[in-house]
Amino acid sequence: RKEVEQDPGPFNVPEGATVAFNCTYSNSASQSFFWYRQDCRKEPKLLMSVYSSGNEDGRFTAQLNRASQYISLLIRDSKLSDSATYLCVVTLNTGNQFYFGTGTSLTVIP
Amino acid sequence: DTGVSQDPRHKITKRGQNVTFRCDPISEHNRLYWYRQTLGQGPEFLTYFQNEAQLEKSRLLSDRFSAERPKGSFSTLEIQRTEQGDSAMYLCASSLEGRRLGYTFGSGTRLTVV
Repeated sequence: RKEVEQDPGPFNVPEGATVAFNCTYSNSASQSFFWYRQDCRKEPKLLMSVYSSGNEDGRFTAQLNRASQYISLLIRDSKLSDSATYLCVVTLNTGNQFYFGTGTSLTVIP
Repeated sequence: DTGVSQDPRHKITKRGQNVTFRCDPISEHNRLYWYRQTLGQGPEFLTYFQNEAQLEKSRLLSDRFSAERPKGSFSTLEIQRTEQGDSAMYLCASSLEGRRLGYTFGSGTRLTVV
């Protein structure tokens, strides 16, 4: 069983729409959680960390549900520039390997 | 500091040849990681170093793969007797021990084995 599961999509949404991605993880000992963004043929870049209380960064909101072992990312008022692949990441111990999901592809359409 | 630097950006090699990639981490970062990413997949962990010590290796790192970080600064990843299945993006990342933050990745080395 994979450590992290994501719906690969693709999600095609119009500009201005709200879109949500979910991700589940298998190991209840997972400690740290992140969302990364990856543009085509580029390296992944940290979008935001995910905290137990939930956190927001502008149009982006991340939530963590430890009981159900899932993480979510909500993007409000989608922009064309949000088109990318969004990777869910969990770690078991600080500083050790990250477990990446396969990524969810988002295309925002004019 | 210009972030994590990887060299080369692209490498095309014939099957059976050896290749070596280099990674220069962010200067104050003592942890360095190698990942591999194939099309449609997320990055997969290969190995990581804390300073010059290689502390963890994935089962993906077959005996044809070797990584070094001799002085605790830059690192090299060598693949011997390359196979077509080695074609992938090889990503290096670095971080500072004890900080609960995500990694910073380099731009990667895209390997194509023909």
